[in-house]
Amino acid sequence: GAVVSQHPSWVICKSGTSVKIECRSLDFQATTMFWYRQFPKQSLMLMATSNEGSKATYEQGVEKDKFLINHASLTLSTLTVTSAHPEDSSFYICSASPSGVPPQFFGPGTRLTVL
Amino acid sequence: QKEVEQNSGPLSVPEGAIASLNCTYSDRGSQSFFWYRQYSGKSPELIMSIYSNGDKEDGRFTAQLNKASQYVSLLIRDSQPSDSATYLCAVEFSSNTGKLIFGQGTTLQVKP
Repeated sequence: GAVVSQHPSWVICKSGTSVKIECRSLDFQATTMFWYRQFPKQSLMLMATSNEGSKATYEQGVEKDKFLINHASLTLSTLTVTSAHPEDSSFYICSASPSGVPPQFFGPGTRLTVL
Repeated sequence: QKEVEQNSGPLSVPEGAIASLNCTYSDRGSQSFFWYRQYSGKSPELIMSIYSNGDKEDGRFTAQLNKASQYVSLLIRDSQPSDSATYLCAVEFSSNTGKLIFGQGTTLQVKP
């Protein structure tokens, strides 16, 4: 149980384009999902909390207009990196919990490379 | 500023030894604590959860919590080369938000 998937697992795009990353809870419903970013040799940094049916809550310093989050159903949240630039290249990971409280279970991550 | 501190390592132990990983946190009111293992290039995997003072054992892993000292640790007995990974300590600072704050992780190397 508590399986979270992400798609795609990796993506390479040109600077200025937008990239959408999907996060799905496969065997449970998740009213809340979390999006993290991890740069090489650094820890996970929480970007935002995705709430089903309402606006996402962004952490301080995260541009909500650049990182668009949509949580349209109880099993799917999407993160769209708009007008991506090389500095957005990172490992993006989502997580969710069957109970709505920790522990969180992580998706396999999406490695984004912006050329 | 709510913080979770870990020694980045690397911590090197011989195969079969006990590896001890430590973590301190800044918020005395924290109630939930987690250890995740992350292999290079992969996402974190939950190893242990602990909520009460004392020890919690699961197979070769033992989590220890001391809320008075704001300290949580992970012991790995009979360490194996496959245990070589980065171990992340995570703390839920505010109850019922679900948000976790992660330490920078400790890299463990188990040498055959």
